This record gives sequence, C-alpha cells and structure tokens, in this order.
Amino acid sequence: GQQVMQIPQYQHVQEGEDFTTYCNSSTTLSNIQWYKQRPGGHPVFLIQLVKSGEVKKQKRLTFQFGEAKKNSSLHITATQTTDVGTYFCAGSTNDYKLSFGAGTTVTVRA
Amino acid sequence: GAVVSQHPSRVICKSGTSVKIECRSLDFQATTMFWYRQFPKQSLMLMATSNEGSKATYEQGVEKDKFLINHASLTLSTLTVTSAHPEDSSFYICSARGQEFYEQYFGPGTRLTVT
Repeated sequence: GQQVMQIPQYQHVQEGEDFTTYCNSSTTLSNIQWYKQRPGGHPVFLIQLVKSGEVKKQKRLTFQFGEAKKNSSLHITATQTTDVGTYFCAGSTNDYKLSFGAGTTVTVRA
Repeated sequence: GAVVSQHPSRVICKSGTSVKIECRSLDFQATTMFWYRQFPKQSLMLMATSNEGSKATYEQGVEKDKFLINHASLTLSTLTVTSAHPEDSSFYICSARGQEFYEQYFGPGTRLTVT
C-alpha cells in the first residue's frame, strides 16, 4: 500500500532560525496536503499541492511538491514560538484517502 | 472554515463494554467522513472511510465487527467500539470532507480509556 515517510521526526529550533521537513512517498501522488497539530489539539489543514513542481507560500511557510509528485517539503523561516506543534504531510491518490506521514514535532527555544 | 464536532471528548469504560463516538459536521454537508486512530506521539492511522448512506470501507487490519461505523446522514457519523479492551485505548479522531472542497476538517478527537 501507499506509504508516506517524513523526516525528521523531531526538530528543535532556535527562535529565529529556519528549518525544513521532508516527505517522500513510495508511489506517485495526485496531491499532497499539509496539516499542523498543536499539542493537545487536532490536525488543522494548511495547504494542498497538486501540480508537479508546485511551490506555495503562506507568510513564513514555503511548501514544495516535487517534479515526480513523490516528495514534498515544508520550509519555515524565522521560526517563532507560535510554530510549535507537529506538522504532518498527507499524500493522496485519487480516492481522497490520506496517508499521513509520521509527522515532524517542532519545539522552539527562545 | 468548516467545523467538525466530536462527542464525547473523553470516555472511560470498563473492559467488555461498548462505546459510541459521534462525529458531526456543523456547517457543511459531509459526503465523506474518515475515522483515524492516533497513539501518543504518533501519526494518524486511517481506520475507515464512510460515505453517507453506504457501508464503510475499512483499512487492512481493522476489524469491521469491532469498530462499527454508521454514516446515516450528511452531517453525522458514528463509531462504536464494541467489547472494548485495554488495547483499544487510544485517541480517535474523525474528519469530514464536503463535496465542494478537497481538504479534510478534523474533529477535536475522543480520548478513550478502557480499564
């Protein structure tokens, strides 16, 4: 079955620094979605990428979808304490089901 | 954004009893609802997908007779954990997707503890 791998599992960042989390799928995806789950909360949709090579930005967050539609990345610049949480990528084929990566749990030191 | 509620938020039950969890889309019609299970500090594992008015589709390894799913209307899906055992203790989260959008909106989750 479809598998989505995500690294790193943990990211401890100094406030103000940048970091990137990466996702790789064993199969070609129709789209990839990114979600953020705050501690004690539930996943909240951030963005969807559909096109090969697509890049989308949300303020300090930059999302990329690989040319082969098998990998994706989320890059956060100038990390803030509000960025704390777990970021999940979730890949989908054409049946709308999502296969979630393991998540990258981000902690920030001031 | 779309809102999904889930009830109860926490439940403690004795081994052998059944527990029902409700998932409601409050401001949109959910053509598809998904049920996930999440262990501490782990990812979400899809258990089943349900479409309104039809039988749920279960993922491999998920016992359909143990985890009964009913999607009776476009705003309500229920998950019943039957004959619960301590190993069923987990965080259960539902999500819903409407016909007009692709993303899933998640409920706040239900923490189930089986003693």
